[in-house]
Amino acid sequence: EVQLVESGGGLVQPGRSMKLSCAASGFTFSNYGMAWVRQAPKKGLEWVAYISYDGGSTYYRDPVKGRFTISRDNAKSTLYLQMDSLRSEDTATYYCTTLTGPYWYFDFWGPGTMVTVSS
Amino acid sequence: DIQMTQSPSLLSASVGDRVTLSCKASQNIYKYLNWYQQKLGEAPKLLIYYTNSLQTGIPSRFSGSGSGTDYTLTISSLQPEDVATYFCQQYNSWPLTFGSGTKLEIK
Repeated sequence: EVQLVESGGGLVQPGRSMKLSCAASGFTFSNYGMAWVRQAPKKGLEWVAYISYDGGSTYYRDPVKGRFTISRDNAKSTLYLQMDSLRSEDTATYYCTTLTGPYWYFDFWGPGTMVTVSS
Repeated sequence: DIQMTQSPSLLSASVGDRVTLSCKASQNIYKYLNWYQQKLGEAPKLLIYYTNSLQTGIPSRFSGSGSGTDYTLTISSLQPEDVATYFCQQYNSWPLTFGSGTKLEIK
């Protein structure tokens, strides 16, 4: 059974940093591109970042470029999101998902971890 | 960025009804369109990919259609367990973008 479990969320002050992790199991992690998708409270879904199966390619949405870094450790089947210079508008539930072409759909999802940026 | 507009934002229908949800892209997305279902308190679930391909395990009452800028998700006979918010997502170009969702309720 495919499992994705996020961790590392919580309350953080504006301007500070936080690192999210996502532990994967039940599939060959190193064969899949991965992504982070976030959802602000009572809002819609927003793709945040993508990393290819081998870590060779990364994409980010513009508002997080230069502040967020997606990475992976295929030996540990773990995905990461380093978030720096956090802003109140980054407050959301962050989901770890698989994302692979050619259809570029978000197939498997974790339950999400809540990040609240507030003083 | 490609903007995705979903309508209506809220839809109330009766069990057994045929329900149609709409998604409109700000430019031609060449059928590169996926649909998700999100139940309250849960992560989204993929329903349909590439406009009309049903994901494994999804009931056949769900179907998708469309081309160009206009796309539709249809539930042929609404069931109580279909209460959820539905999102479309385009993958014609980066950044991948979602619609704002249609909340489906039982009347």
